Amino acid sequence: EVQLVESGGGLVQPGRSLKLSCLASGFTFSNYGMNWIRQAPGKGLEWVASISSSSSYIYYADTVKGRFTISRDNAKNTLYLQMTSLRSEDTALYYCAREYYSGDGWFAYWGQGTLVTVSS
Amino acid sequence: DTVLTQSPALAVSPGERVTISCRASESVSTLMHWYQQKPGQQPTLLIYLASNLESGVPARFSGSGSGTDFTLTIDPVEADDTATYYCQQSWNDPFTFGSGTKLEIK
Repeated sequence: EVQLVESGGGLVQPGRSLKLSCLASGFTFSNYGMNWIRQAPGKGLEWVASISSSSSYIYYADTVKGRFTISRDNAKNTLYLQMTSLRSEDTALYYCAREYYSGDGWFAYWGQGTLVTVSS
Repeated sequence: DTVLTQSPALAVSPGERVTISCRASESVSTLMHWYQQKPGQQPTLLIYLASNLESGVPARFSGSGSGTDFTLTIDPVEADDTATYYCQQSWNDPFTFGSGTKLEIK
């Protein structure tokens, strides 16, 4: 069974940093592209970043480019999102999502999410 | 960015047929996908590549369309289908989602 478990969320002040993790199991992690997608409270879904299976291709939404860094450790079956210079508008539930295949751009599996609240 | 426009809400009775539309601001070929999000849960994939039913999804769900106009159909609707439905395109960079259609079952 595919499982994605996010962690690392919490309350953080504007301008500070936070690092999210997503531990994957139930599939060969190194074979799949992975993504972060977020959902502000009561709002819709926003794609944040993607990383290919071997980390060769990385893409970001303009809203986070230069502030967020997506990475992965295939030996640890873990996806990361390093977030810096956080703003109130980054407040959201952050989901880790696996692509259907690698590089195809749709999301077959989602974690339960980890909540990031940016507030003073 | 490719903007995906969805109607905000629909209300139907059990047993009826419902169509949820998604219009793209530019062509996305058939790289359109649909997700269901029930309250308090993560989204789940229903349809990929416009018309392919994800494994385990009831055949009551179907998708159609290409280019800029897409439709998710549920026939017949059941009470358990109460949820918000999102379309998402992966043809143009960046990936974008529609704002969601909240489906209420009367």
